[in-house]
Amino acid sequence: KAGVTQTPRYLIKTRGQQVTLSCSPISGHRSVSWYQQTPGQGLQFLFEYFSETQRNKGNFPGRFSGRQFSNSRSEMNVSTLELGDSALYLCASSLVGFPNYGYTFGSGTRLTVV
Amino acid sequence: GENVEQHPSTLSVQEGDSAVIKCTYSDSASNYFPWYKQELGKGPQLIIDIRSNVGEKKDQRIAVTLNKTAKHFSLHITETQPEDSAVYFCAASISGSARQLTFGSGTQLTVLP
Repeated sequence: KAGVTQTPRYLIKTRGQQVTLSCSPISGHRSVSWYQQTPGQGLQFLFEYFSETQRNKGNFPGRFSGRQFSNSRSEMNVSTLELGDSALYLCASSLVGFPNYGYTFGSGTRLTVV
Repeated sequence: GENVEQHPSTLSVQEGDSAVIKCTYSDSASNYFPWYKQELGKGPQLIIDIRSNVGEKKDQRIAVTLNKTAKHFSLHITETQPEDSAVYFCAASISGSARQLTFGSGTQLTVLP
């Protein structure tokens, strides 16, 4: 079956702009989680959506937001981009949202802010 | 919150040798410990996991051990091969309640031919 699909794979944005990233989960998976990966901070949890509802949120500023659609596809948005937002953004899908029930990551979107 | 420390940050071994990566966690309530492998240009891939009611788990050349008392768990790879070269991450969560993983900082494993 198809894996987790993230688009686009690469993005270059200017400081102050906003960006939207997309994640299509594995068919049948109802939960999508987002993580930010940077060399300095490693992998950090952003938020998790299940059945269009945000159930959990990490310690990130309000500039980071997301949503989930009825087909379980999810988008995350970052407004007023800062240089420090440059990172690999990963989404992971699962049936019910608990990592121990199976968590599959996509290949990520590489965001560069200049 | 949970804090996971991982060592070493880099590890080089000769092909055929064993590799060991160690992690410690801070929250005694954590009871699910997965290991992920991340290759260049790809997302993390689950390679093995262990729950707190088990002390050791093996899958072919890969094994994970857990010491709940010491809050310590380790990944063991035997008979390493060049394709094992990647970044390995340990993680922890509270099974059944936490909807997120707390990751270690990663270990770059290089298997030298």
